[in-house]
Amino acid sequence: GAVVSQHPSRVICKSGTSVKIECRSLDFQATTMFWYRQFPKQSLMLMATSNEGSKATYEQGVEKDKFLINHASLTLSTLTVTSAHPEDSSFYICSAVRLAGGSDTQYFGPGTRLTVL
Amino acid sequence: QQQVKQSPQSLIVQKGGISIINCAYENTAFDYFPWYQQFPGKGPALLIAIRPDVSEKKEGRFTISFNKSAKQFSLHIMDSQPGDSATYFCAASFMDSNYQLIWGAGTKLIIKP
Repeated sequence: GAVVSQHPSRVICKSGTSVKIECRSLDFQATTMFWYRQFPKQSLMLMATSNEGSKATYEQGVEKDKFLINHASLTLSTLTVTSAHPEDSSFYICSAVRLAGGSDTQYFGPGTRLTVL
Repeated sequence: QQQVKQSPQSLIVQKGGISIINCAYENTAFDYFPWYQQFPGKGPALLIAIRPDVSEKKEGRFTISFNKSAKQFSLHIMDSQPGDSATYFCAASFMDSNYQLIWGAGTKLIIKP
């Protein structure tokens, strides 16, 4: 099946620093990628839609200046959490859409656990 | 109208039994209904998906039953095994949504040996 990777898998940082998370589709090209945030025992919350070559579309309530998204190529999207604070601690998950002529499927990365001290 | 309601919130099933998780939706424009399996600390993995032109889809021990008139779909796990213990999410989307998924709240499934 299609593979999506995320790096790093876990990161601990100090309050006020910025953290970059990478999402790569390893065996297919993805014009569309998504970034989610998941709190413990809850469902996935869509943060933004990342389209290659254009600006990301953010969901209501998500600060675009705080969560910077760059979809620089058809296989890479990055999420940068700027000036992180403890309330940004969460599990961040990306996904990539593989187009397959009517059987388009969204594949998920393994997630990144961010802890802000 | 964009919601997908999932039940139960948690489920305990004996090994070898059938696990059944249900989802209901309102938006009749939805045309893609996937189920995802998520283990703790991992991303969701696509388990099985169905489109509304069929009423049932089976892959191994996993079956989706789809009732278009009732706007409900369910996941059945036959011969449930301890390794199936995970959180299961149903979701829905439609063609004009740029592949955005509307997620159910999740069901934590525990299979007792």
